[in-house]
Amino acid sequence: EILLTQSPATLSLSPGERATLSCRASQSVSSYLAWYQQKPGQAPRLLIYDASNRATGIPARFSGSGSGTDFTLTISSLEPEDFAVYYCQQRYNWPLTFGGGTKVEIK
Amino acid sequence: QVQLQESGPGLVKPSETLSLTCAVSGYSISSGYYCGWIRQPPGKGLEWIGSINHSGSTYYNPSLKSRVIISVDTSKNQFSLNLSSVTAADTAVYYCSRVVTNRFDPWGQGTLVTVSS
Repeated sequence: EILLTQSPATLSLSPGERATLSCRASQSVSSYLAWYQQKPGQAPRLLIYDASNRATGIPARFSGSGSGTDFTLTISSLEPEDFAVYYCQQRYNWPLTFGGGTKVEIK
Repeated sequence: QVQLQESGPGLVKPSETLSLTCAVSGYSISSGYYCGWIRQPPGKGLEWIGSINHSGSTYYNPSLKSRVIISVDTSKNQFSLNLSSVTAADTAVYYCSRVVTNRFDPWGQGTLVTVSS
């Protein structure tokens, strides 16, 4: 099973600041990594797939990068609606696995 | 617009079987996409349970495989989850999702299932 480790666990930032979230895989997942956003009481929403491709309707301030074992989700300028929990997920190997999440909170 | 909606009992007794259904609208399950189940214990992260395609081919998480059955009913455009011998550790919000090359998009709103006597 591929373990995904997200850091930091919590990121405290102000609106307008840049957010950088990390996801590290226990073995290479090539570029087969996705990012999801989850707001309180809501289902997760796909943001980024295959490391760097924005899903339909996702604003350009969200970007993903990386390959192999190290991946980054960047939010270039935080909007009030971006404060949420973010999860990464690998599809390189069975079982499909998720990281533990990073909470982006208002400072 | 693709939508998925989970339904089923919100309370299940220990040792019994949890049964949920996911109704799909906006696309046909027979179109080729997989459908999947994911769960999230209260205050915790996400765990993939398993996925199925229109012909019934399944993939299960090994951690749950001995207790899980996922099935599909293309005539009703829905798929189902059965999880047997449940314990309190199975208390979670259960989500269904369309699976697009093993990523999840979109998700249903989720349904909380509590295991308690």
